[in-house]
Amino acid sequence: EAEVAQSPRYKITEKSQAVAFWCDPISGHATLYWYRQILGQGPELLVQFQDESVVDDSQLPKDRFSAERLKGVDSTLKIQPAELGDSAMYLCASSLQGGPFGEQYFGPGTRLTVT
Amino acid sequence: DAKTTQPPSMDCAEGRAANLPCNHSTISGNEYVYWYRQIHSQGPQYIIHGLKNNETNEMASLIITEDRKSSTLILPHATLRDTAVYYCIVRVAGDYKLSFGAGTTVTVRA
Repeated sequence: EAEVAQSPRYKITEKSQAVAFWCDPISGHATLYWYRQILGQGPELLVQFQDESVVDDSQLPKDRFSAERLKGVDSTLKIQPAELGDSAMYLCASSLQGGPFGEQYFGPGTRLTVT
Repeated sequence: DAKTTQPPSMDCAEGRAANLPCNHSTISGNEYVYWYRQIHSQGPQYIIHGLKNNETNEMASLIITEDRKSSTLILPHATLRDTAVYYCIVRVAGDYKLSFGAGTTVTVRA
């Protein structure tokens, strides 16, 4: 069964450093999502791509976060500089279509710890 | 502004049915009820969704009340691997967003 791939699985970084996460969606899935999940809470959408275009980044802290999906396939989420409050699980998901029946498939996530 | 209310936790005996309630008293006519679950250290996994009719798939059954103000997810024969956080989500037709609440932590005990 096809899966969403993410790397690294775990990342420890010092505050003020830059960090990047990578996501490879399921082949053929045009829609890609990045979520952030703080411990004990549900995931929160950061950004959504349709192919290579950003559809929604209203919850992305743009002063330090950036996301790209240059060729409409894999995607990178970057944080620079990292802050202590950025410690969380970063989840990537993809779907075949963005509508209500576009079931989202999630990757295993990257757990970020900022020290 | 949570659209759903779920109990924070519940226990279930292995082999028994697990009935997970969800209240969505302000649901609109064009909003669907979705269920996802998240096993520890994994990403969320889609379970099932419905509009007003009851739905069943290989994982679970979804029972939606006639007034659509509440629903119940049923895991017919819970196993230890069903231990997870279960999220009930209300989603507008045409809206891509999944708005997760805190969910219900379900612990299946041997």
